Amino acid sequence: EIVMTQSPATLSVLPGERATFSCRASQSISSNLAWYQQKPGQAPRLLIYGASTRATGIPARFGGSGSGTEFTFTISSLQSEDFAVYYCHQYNRWPYSFGQGTKLEIK
Amino acid sequence: EVQLVESGGGLVQPGRSLRLSCAASGFTFDDSAMHWVRQAPGKGLEWVSGITRDSANRGYADSVKGRFTISRDNTKNSLFLEMNSLRTEDTALYFCTKGAWFDHWGQGTLVTVSS
Repeated sequence: EIVMTQSPATLSVLPGERATFSCRASQSISSNLAWYQQKPGQAPRLLIYGASTRATGIPARFGGSGSGTEFTFTISSLQSEDFAVYYCHQYNRWPYSFGQGTKLEIK
Repeated sequence: EVQLVESGGGLVQPGRSLRLSCAASGFTFDDSAMHWVRQAPGKGLEWVSGITRDSANRGYADSVKGRFTISRDNTKNSLFLEMNSLRTEDTALYFCTKGAWFDHWGQGTLVTVSS
């Protein structure tokens, strides 16, 4: 089983600033990584797949990079609607797995 | 428009069974792998199970292996999850989702396992 570890658990950032999230896989997953945003009471929303490809309709301020075991997700200039929980997800092989999530809060 | 609508959740006693369904529309169902993902109250996301387009391959999380069975009916654009020997730790919101990366999600159906 591939374990996904996200850091930090909580990120406090001012609106307009940049937010950077990390995700590490316990073994190589190539670029088979996705990022999701989840707001309270809602289903997750796909933001990034293939480690760096934005999903349909996702603004350019959201970006991803990395391959193998180390991945980074960034939001270049935070908007009020971006404050939420973010998850990474490996789909390299079953059993799929998620990171434990990073909560992005307003500083 | 892609729609995934889960149903079948509810309150059930430990050790009992429950069958979840997911009705899909707005895309070619038999072109997509399908999955169940759950979220316990106040917790993160957990992949539960997946099934390939033709049902040839099915995968399960260790936490449900041997107790849960995933299936699909491509003639009815439907996905199912048969859950047996339910435990209190299976209490969660169960989402249906599609694809290798999960590009669309349902709103979930709540399963509560309690005596």
